[in-house]
Amino acid sequence: SQTIHQWPATLVQPVGSPLSLECTVEGTSNPNLYWYRQAAGRGLQLLFYSVGIGQISSEVPQNLSASRPQDRQFILSSKKLLLSDSGFYLCAWSGQGNQETQYFGPGTRLLVL
Amino acid sequence: AQSVAQPEDQVNVAEGNPLTVKCTYSVSGNPYLFWYVQYPNRGLQFLLKYITGDNLVKGSYGFEAEFNKSQTSFHLKKPSALVSDSALYFCAVRDIYSNDYKLSFGAGTTVTVRA
Repeated sequence: SQTIHQWPATLVQPVGSPLSLECTVEGTSNPNLYWYRQAAGRGLQLLFYSVGIGQISSEVPQNLSASRPQDRQFILSSKKLLLSDSGFYLCAWSGQGNQETQYFGPGTRLLVL
Repeated sequence: AQSVAQPEDQVNVAEGNPLTVKCTYSVSGNPYLFWYVQYPNRGLQFLLKYITGDNLVKGSYGFEAEFNKSQTSFHLKKPSALVSDSALYFCAVRDIYSNDYKLSFGAGTTVTVRA
């Protein structure tokens, strides 16, 4: 069966520091991968998605970036964090196909102080 | 363009009573529809989806949803709610003609089931 991992689970970082969040998927190959941010426990905002290695689509212009160095690895990064980057970051994967379900990881809680 | 509306921020029911969480959608073509549940500080868990076929879809934990094309709705239902069903519920849609795999999520509905 497929599983999705995210780490770290929680992170407290000062403003201006760099960020690296990692997401890995097991038990599948060539998945679509997604990064979402959830603010205040409510709506989901799609940040990036990827349909293959090195292929990244950005949804929202901001100081975050994403990379996919391996088929089942998706990394969310920032060179300098802002207070507004605080939130709950969720990674998801799906199969290749329009009717495929997205499955979510456990999330990373980021607090920027 | 595709979008989802969840008209109720909160739904409160007594344990053992029926639970309904409302969702309406808008797509240019036909929809793929999904329901997810989120417990505090956890990721979203998939409950069920409508792709095609029978309008009544059964999913995990005793939940079901009915696709109504004329009303553009996909309401989530459970005949007898449990306290453990208290959580945040999200409806999501994708147009079947979409070529970018993106889902559009509703704002979420908080369900509280009282004992």
